[in-house]
Amino acid sequence: EAQVTQNPRYLITVTGKKLTVTCSQNMNHEYMSWYRQDPGLGLRQIYYSMNVEVTDKGDVPEGYKVSRKEKRNFPLILESPSPNQTSLYFCASSHDRGTEAFFGQGTRLTVV
Amino acid sequence: DQQVKQNSPSLSVQEGRISILNCDYTNSMFDYFLWYKKYPAEGPTFLISISSIKDKNEDGRFTVFLNKSAKHLSLHIVPSQPGDSAVYFCAASAVRGSNYKLTFGKGTLLTVNP
Repeated sequence: EAQVTQNPRYLITVTGKKLTVTCSQNMNHEYMSWYRQDPGLGLRQIYYSMNVEVTDKGDVPEGYKVSRKEKRNFPLILESPSPNQTSLYFCASSHDRGTEAFFGQGTRLTVV
Repeated sequence: DQQVKQNSPSLSVQEGRISILNCDYTNSMFDYFLWYKKYPAEGPTFLISISSIKDKNEDGRFTVFLNKSAKHLSLHIVPSQPGDSAVYFCAASAVRGSNYKLTFGKGTLLTVNP
């Protein structure tokens, strides 16, 4: 089954404790992205990748890092999480820029 | 500066009637538009898309209309069904550009009443 898998689904952590949210897709897609969803703000793009070792900033990259060492994986790293990064995070992948993106089920992160 | 705007936070319609969700954009570089549907506790799922070379695209009960001069697109759902109740996001990208930025609106909560 074609899918985008994120882990964990839920995470509560403390300010400053580094964490990684993993994302994996099994569709051999070149394009991958991370988004955050906040009430009243919709979905905002954090980072994207157009191929292995090619990543770039989206609209809200501050406080986040990503890596793309292999095609299927695109982890999101929070080196020093802060409470304003409490949000619902989605990873997505697509075959091309002009095609639809497939989304994971989301990771709800709470930073206290 | 919000480049993709969905000005109606919510919409309520009766089952069997037409639902019309609207979206406006400001960036003239956008050339590909998508609609996504999102249920609670799930990721967004793709619904329908349209390229800027077209003004209409249909898929079953769903039709998207694009008015480039007005920088406006709309999603029509006919007939509406209770299972269509969800948050609908409009999204836009510049496919001919050099990046993979996808800009979403804030979403419209559609409620279809039986």
